[in-house]
Amino acid sequence: AQRVTQPEKLLSVFKGAPVELKCNYSYSGSPELFWYVQYSRQRLQLLLRHISRESIKGFTADLNKGETSFHLKKPFAQEEDSAMYYCALSGEAQTGGFKTIFGAGTRLFVKA
Amino acid sequence: DAGVTQSPTHLIKTRGQQVTLRCSPKSGHDTVSWYQQALGQGPQFIFQYYEEEERQRGNFPDRFSGHQFPNYSSELNVNALLLGDSALYLCASSQTTGVVYGYTFGSGTRLTVV
Repeated sequence: AQRVTQPEKLLSVFKGAPVELKCNYSYSGSPELFWYVQYSRQRLQLLLRHISRESIKGFTADLNKGETSFHLKKPFAQEEDSAMYYCALSGEAQTGGFKTIFGAGTRLFVKA
Repeated sequence: DAGVTQSPTHLIKTRGQQVTLRCSPKSGHDTVSWYQQALGQGPQFIFQYYEEEERQRGNFPDRFSGHQFPNYSSELNVNALLLGDSALYLCASSQTTGVVYGYTFGSGTRLTVV
């Protein structure tokens, strides 16, 4: 069964400190992993995709298939990073198409 | 490009009533997925529509149904509303190959059942 686990509901760090938001997944095939972010009063938006190997707003995420993890990291947190972060997994289904499931989310609060 | 648009933004219904929510996908997107987000939780997958057919479905009862039109817009219908159906309903659009590109989300419809 597909499952995404974000163990921390709330993460509070000081500005300039490193931040790591944890994500573990369960999936029998080869999933596509994503991080989505929701800033205050804004809609949910895609932050980054593992397939792109990209760094967005200083954030990176490495897929560790052995540990089935996709943790989101940033070396120096900024106040504007305060938001709700969701890890998501997409997998193709036997009946065609794909399904994306989301974790429960982690609220990041960056203190001045 | 207006992105994904959803209507209405807010809705209050009485238990037992029926509701229809609407979604217009981002230009160039042909697949629409619907999610339910209860307070403090992540989005829960309801179903996905492509080529006017339901292609995938999550663990939601048959009271939840949908439709996709030839212009790719979509509706979510919920019958016999329960208090527990109160939530934010999100529409997400993607290209057919969206499995690698991810979703574009609308701002949601806040449904309150009283």
